[in-house]
Amino acid sequence: KNQVEQSPQSLIILEGKNCTLQCNYTVSPFSNLRWYKQDTGRGPVSLTIMTFSENTKSNGRYTATLDADTKQSSLHITASQLSDSASYICVVSEAPPGSRGNTPLVFGKGTRLSVIA
Amino acid sequence: EADIYQTPRYLVIGTGKKITLECSQTMGHDKMYWYQQDPGMELHLIHYSYGVNSTEKGDLSSESTVSRIRTEHFPLTLESARPSHTSQYLCASSETGLGSGANVLTFGAGSRLTVL
Repeated sequence: KNQVEQSPQSLIILEGKNCTLQCNYTVSPFSNLRWYKQDTGRGPVSLTIMTFSENTKSNGRYTATLDADTKQSSLHITASQLSDSASYICVVSEAPPGSRGNTPLVFGKGTRLSVIA
Repeated sequence: EADIYQTPRYLVIGTGKKITLECSQTMGHDKMYWYQQDPGMELHLIHYSYGVNSTEKGDLSSESTVSRIRTEHFPLTLESARPSHTSQYLCASSETGLGSGANVLTFGAGSRLTVL
């Protein structure tokens, strides 16, 4: 069964510190992997999207890595801010887009990050 | 800011009531989706649409129904709400095609439903 496992389940860090969130997946065939940020009471917002050939991609203080061989991805947050407190969700596309562009998505349960002063 | 809007944001109703959750997007996206999310759990796809007059059931069985009469509008209806329907409902849309923007979901803020 295609699965996406995220760790840790939750994390508390001090403002200004760095942290790394992990995502392991068993989805095959793989198309792409996305990281979303979901603030409490809001919908998820896309941070990065990575295809098979990409190893790393940055979006400001967020840097995502992908190892397609080991089926692992990480999201590194640098110099954390209070506003980084949110759930971070890893989402993997199951197959390349078909003729209608529909790609089954497999969601992780997310990592709940709390940044404290 | 978000170009996809959900109403109501919060709804508390009694068992047996009929409810409709509204979702509208202004991006001209053909594809729209409804997800259900419980606290600490992953999102589950309950309905999706490729375009006008197209609706499909998702991975998670749901007693809700959807319609797509206009491109920008994708409402979800529960004919008779029950406590088991209590959840967060997220609407999303995406571009059609094979480009990098395809299947990057833009989500609404969600509708939190509580059925007493």
